[in-house]
Amino acid sequence: SQKIEQNSEALNIQEGKTATLTCNYTNYSPAYLQWYRQDPGRGPVFLLLIRENEKEKRKERLKVTFDTTLKQSLFHITASQPADSATYLCALTGGSYIPTFGRGTSLIVHP
Amino acid sequence: DAGVIQSPRHEVTEMGQEVTLRCKPISGHDYLFWYRQTMMRGLELLIYFNNNVPIDDSGMPEDRFSAKMPNASFSTLKIQPSEPRDSAVYFCASSLRGGLSPTNTIYFGEGSWLTVV
Repeated sequence: SQKIEQNSEALNIQEGKTATLTCNYTNYSPAYLQWYRQDPGRGPVFLLLIRENEKEKRKERLKVTFDTTLKQSLFHITASQPADSATYLCALTGGSYIPTFGRGTSLIVHP
Repeated sequence: DAGVIQSPRHEVTEMGQEVTLRCKPISGHDYLFWYRQTMMRGLELLIYFNNNVPIDDSGMPEDRFSAKMPNASFSTLKIQPSEPRDSAVYFCASSLRGGLSPTNTIYFGEGSWLTVV
């Protein structure tokens, strides 16, 4: 069955460092991959989308890579700040065009 | 724009009672989604509508769950009778586009936190 895996353990880093979150998937051939941010008590908010034929996408301090051979996406936040603390969800979109979400990884940036 | 509006934000109800969750999508969006989020299962799609018509309800867990969209600006998700295992956060979301595209951005509401005791 299709599976999307994100690290269930929280990632703790110091302010100013680069945070790297991982999204792995199996039994899936997504054409697109999206990353969302979710703050406690709020709904997910779209951040970035990357297509299968794109290796890397950037937006300000955010960078996403997509390796369809490894079946993996990496999400990087450079110069992280305490305000970046949140849960980050990856979502894969295939032929149905409806995203399937991972469970998310919690990021905690310490001042 | 006010975004996707959901009500109630929090609901505590007793097992066996009927629960109705409400959603107002972003004006002009023609896709509406209902998701459920739990620690165990993450964010799951329950049902989605296109132009007020239900397209895929395969994620609806049981016949106790039903969803309607009587017009472009309103949808309900009803659970009758409710059970403790229905406790979760229920999100409504909407998306713009004449045809569903993988590049669509889905806009989520703030969620309805349901506790069934």
